[in-house]
Amino acid sequence: GQNIDQPTEMTATEGAIVQINCTYQTSGFNGLFWYQQHAGEAPTFLSYNVLDGLEEKGRFSSFLSRSKGYSYLLLKELQMKDSASYLCAVRGASAGTALIFGKGTTLSVSS
Amino acid sequence: DGGITQSPKYLFRKEGQNVTLSCEQNLNHDAMYWYRQDPGQGLRLIYYSQIVNDFQKGDIAEGYSVSREKKESFPLTVTSAQKNPTAFYLCASSNPGTNYGYTFGSGTRLTVV
Repeated sequence: GQNIDQPTEMTATEGAIVQINCTYQTSGFNGLFWYQQHAGEAPTFLSYNVLDGLEEKGRFSSFLSRSKGYSYLLLKELQMKDSASYLCAVRGASAGTALIFGKGTTLSVSS
Repeated sequence: DGGITQSPKYLFRKEGQNVTLSCEQNLNHDAMYWYRQDPGQGLRLIYYSQIVNDFQKGDIAEGYSVSREKKESFPLTVTSAQKNPTAFYLCASSNPGTNYGYTFGSGTRLTVV
């Protein structure tokens, strides 16, 4: 079967750094995605990893270890607008190009 | 500008009625997808289509049907067989490229009363 796990909720303060972890067990692996979703809106793309290592994009970084089935999203210099759900998604081998999503991590940033 | 359009944004239906959600894209993407999202849940795959005139069941296809007669359109019908249809429905599309990343529609919130 396929399983993607991430923490349900996290809290942090403005200016801090937060790391959101994601572990996955899928049939095959063809890439891992991170999306941000504000309440009532569609997800927006944050990052993509297909090879091991760190991808950096501004305040956001994402890491992948394929051998461990593990990824994390690192958010630096947190702002209030970063309060949202963060979705980890994997493209496996059992559903073509479709992504399988985790349940998401709700991040609350306070001042 | 290219994009993916879902309509309507909010939809109310009586229990026992079928309802069709629209999804249209002008991005020339080959693949399209339907997901359902419930409170506290991630996105769950209902159906996907990799090419015109072909589609595959996802993890929760029971009670739903789709068609892909045109590349631009991938409508989803929620039938009366779907036991708990009230949810937020998201359509997405993608194309072979650097990462097959998704473009999402803005979603349709369906409420069955």
